[in-house]
Order: sequence, then C-alpha cells, then structure tokens
Amino acid sequence: EPEVTQTPSHQVTQMGQEVILRCVPISNHLYFYWYRQILGQKVEFLVSFYNNEISEKSEIFDDQFSVERPDGSNFTLKIRSTKLEDSAMYFCARSGEGISYNEQFFGPGTRLTVL
Amino acid sequence: GENVEQHPSTLSVQEGDSAVIKCTYSDSASNYFPWYKQELGKGPQLIIDIRSNVGEKKDQRIAVTLNKTAKHFSLHITETQPEDSAVYFCAATPDFGNEKLTFGTGTRLTIIP
Repeated sequence: EPEVTQTPSHQVTQMGQEVILRCVPISNHLYFYWYRQILGQKVEFLVSFYNNEISEKSEIFDDQFSVERPDGSNFTLKIRSTKLEDSAMYFCARSGEGISYNEQFFGPGTRLTVL
Repeated sequence: GENVEQHPSTLSVQEGDSAVIKCTYSDSASNYFPWYKQELGKGPQLIIDIRSNVGEKKDQRIAVTLNKTAKHFSLHITETQPEDSAVYFCAATPDFGNEKLTFGTGTRLTIIP
C-alpha cells in the first residue's frame, strides 16, 4: 500500500499550460515534500511543506511553481506555465513519525509530459 | 550545500553473489543516510537507513556501513536474487528534523540468473 497516493498517474500538456499535480496522504502527517526526477537522472528536491507553509525550497522551485493544501487533505503542486524542461516524474513524499521523523516515504509519482 | 556521489552507475552480478554500492557526501552536518530502491515506473522505496551514531546496520540480506570520518557509506546486498534488480539511490540529510534529502545519481543493479 503506497504511503501517499498521487493523481494523475500521467499528465500530458502543451507548453505554456498550467498543470496541477495532487498528493493525498494516507494518514494525517505534517511534513510533505515534492521531488522531481527527469528521465534517467537522480531525484531532486523541490519543496517541503509544513503546517500549511513552505518550509524550504530549492532553486528549481521558481515563481512558476506553487504548493498548497487547499482542503487540509490534498496537497497540490501547481506549475503555472509549463516548459519543455518540466517534463519529469514528480513525487510526493511524507515524513515518518516519532523516532522515524527523518524517514521519507514516496508516492508512486505523476509522469508529466510537456509537448 | 550537500553533494552526494554514487558509484558504480551500473552493476551486474550473478544471482547468489554479493553487490556493493558506494556513496560519498560532502557536508559534515549530514547525519542521516537512507537508501532507496526504485523499480521501473514506481516511486523510490525506503529499504534501509543509518544514522551517524551507528557504524553499521543490517536487515536480513541488506546492510549499510558508514564511515563518518571519510564521509562515505555503502550498501551491501548478499545472496542476491532476481527481484533485487532495480535502481538504487543513496541520500543524505542533516539530522535536524525533516530536512530535504540530497540524492546520489543512482546505481542500476542487474542480477543475472
């Protein structure tokens, strides 16, 4: 059973369009993360989100990106105007609990293809 | 910031033999080192981790060792099986709580039956 679920599994969009990727945690955790993985490359950190606020973001996470938790459950990543280089797998992750607070558990990912 | 190097990039071993994947990191503040297994089309799956107050940790056929002085850590898989074939990523992060993971470049492990 995945630690988080992500929708859609695959998103195809035209360059310049907005996309919203969704993450639904199985249980109510406070820390969430978005990472991306360009095909054949390593996993890269985008942003961490704690208590409904951005905790940390990378240089990749520019003004085209935003995150929010609109209804206290779903956790979304929005890309306002997609570029070809945004094509990648996008993974949501959640933190562990208690002594496992450092552990991060990843969802199955959303494959974003920008044409 | 942290930089994690991983090698080899590809590794093929005969079924039943052992596999070793090595990583080095640059930031002395890093104290937590997880390993992830990624199968085709899936998200990374945490398989084992180690914190800096421990030099070695074992879980059945997999083990991880850490040399904090040299800033390197390794994944050891013994008695390899076909289902071990996957891409393995090491990662590092400071142990301040809920910090971002910095990943290595990955190792594609192929187990030859």
